[in-house]
Amino acid sequence: IAGITQAPTSQILAAGRRMTLRCTQDMRHNAMYWYRQDLGLGLRLIHYSNTAGTTGKGEVPDGYSVSRANTDDFPLTLASAVPSQTSVYFCASSDLAGEVDEQFFGPGTRLTVL
Amino acid sequence: GQNIDQPTEMTATEGAIVQINCTYQTSGFNGLFWYQQHAGEAPTFLSYNVLDGLEEKGRFSSFLSRSKGYSYLLLKELQMKDSASYLCAVTDSGYALNFGKGTSLLVTP
Repeated sequence: IAGITQAPTSQILAAGRRMTLRCTQDMRHNAMYWYRQDLGLGLRLIHYSNTAGTTGKGEVPDGYSVSRANTDDFPLTLASAVPSQTSVYFCASSDLAGEVDEQFFGPGTRLTVL
Repeated sequence: GQNIDQPTEMTATEGAIVQINCTYQTSGFNGLFWYQQHAGEAPTFLSYNVLDGLEEKGRFSSFLSRSKGYSYLLLKELQMKDSASYLCAVTDSGYALNFGKGTSLLVTP
């Protein structure tokens, strides 16, 4: 079934450790996104990529980095995790060539930083 | 920047109609989306409005007034499975979305 996969499903991480959240889509969408979702704050955009080889900063980019080496993969890296990065992380993708650029979301990664 | 407001919680009865409002203030506008999110799951797309008026899709309809910075999502013939969070999101770029904090809807028997 076509869609977006994320790994890991959940992770408990010690503060200061490096962590990469993986995201892969098989819909050949040109745009991909990373959001974090926190209770009472809703979904907030971290980074995005409109096409392979380009990335941009969203609302809350500090402490995170991304890369887009190919169309399918969009990993999110926390270089040195802090407790405030405890959240649920959603990856999404969209086909910017469509009439309605709806975003399709992955199942999420629940990250706890202690 | 963008400011998107929606009620935090709503309760409605099975079989009834409920309207979830969303107001926004944006520096630019290129479309408004509604998503549904069940607890512990990913958001799923419900509707998209870029022109003023009503878009109907089965039991769900979405309305937009760009001059008023206002949208609503109308859910008819409510079912228990409609208990979920409903997320209003606006884009000024055509791709990156800015989400409101979501409205948690509880449908009671």
